Amino acid sequence: DQQVKQNSPSLSVQEGRISILNCDYTNSMFDYFLWYKKYPAEGPTFLISISSIKDKNEDGRFTVFLNKSAKHLSLHIVPSQPGDSAVYFCAASAQETSGSRLTFGEGTQLTVNP
Amino acid sequence: NAGVTQTPKFRILKIGQSMTLQCAQDMNHNYMYWYRQDPGMGLKLIYYSVGAGITDKGEVPNGYNVSRSTTEDFPLRLELAAPSQTSVYFCASTPLQYSNQPQHFGDGTRLSIL
Repeated sequence: DQQVKQNSPSLSVQEGRISILNCDYTNSMFDYFLWYKKYPAEGPTFLISISSIKDKNEDGRFTVFLNKSAKHLSLHIVPSQPGDSAVYFCAASAQETSGSRLTFGEGTQLTVNP
Repeated sequence: NAGVTQTPKFRILKIGQSMTLQCAQDMNHNYMYWYRQDPGMGLKLIYYSVGAGITDKGEVPNGYNVSRSTTEDFPLRLELAAPSQTSVYFCASTPLQYSNQPQHFGDGTRLSIL
């Protein structure tokens, strides 16, 4: 039962354009969502998060949108840069769950071409 | 800042051997986690700990054991290595429950069982 799903294994965009990464979830108890970025041979690093009480959170070039009715969130990167090329994981947690456990999606490989 | 440190970075084991993956954090975080990541998949939670002396199973605990004798250390033990345990293992930590604090990850241990 995949509770967090990223349907696009890969995405390729041109430098300077917008990158949009998508994530869907099924568990209505999830109330906190995060995006992590992962380079090869490194651990995931936290990028941006959003609480379920909001529908948008922005941090520089990165914006996360949450549509609770559709159980969908997306990460927008504008403008995209070659250094953004990495695997992006969507993750979710429910505050009522012991240990603040995260459920991860499968990841999307983003390639930004110069 | 060392953050979350995992050792070793790489290891090859024979079927039936045992080993301990080490994880240490110097951020005084209460919560610690072990994940495994298989190719093309997201991170799956193996075990987690909410404090010294307290551990609990995650999504895929079979074949693993953990202990948490100190706040800083959270080792993961494989008793009888099997090929299905070939994976990349990540340790993570976060300070508090219900604070929506992101998890901080180590750089992983790549384990091959032949």
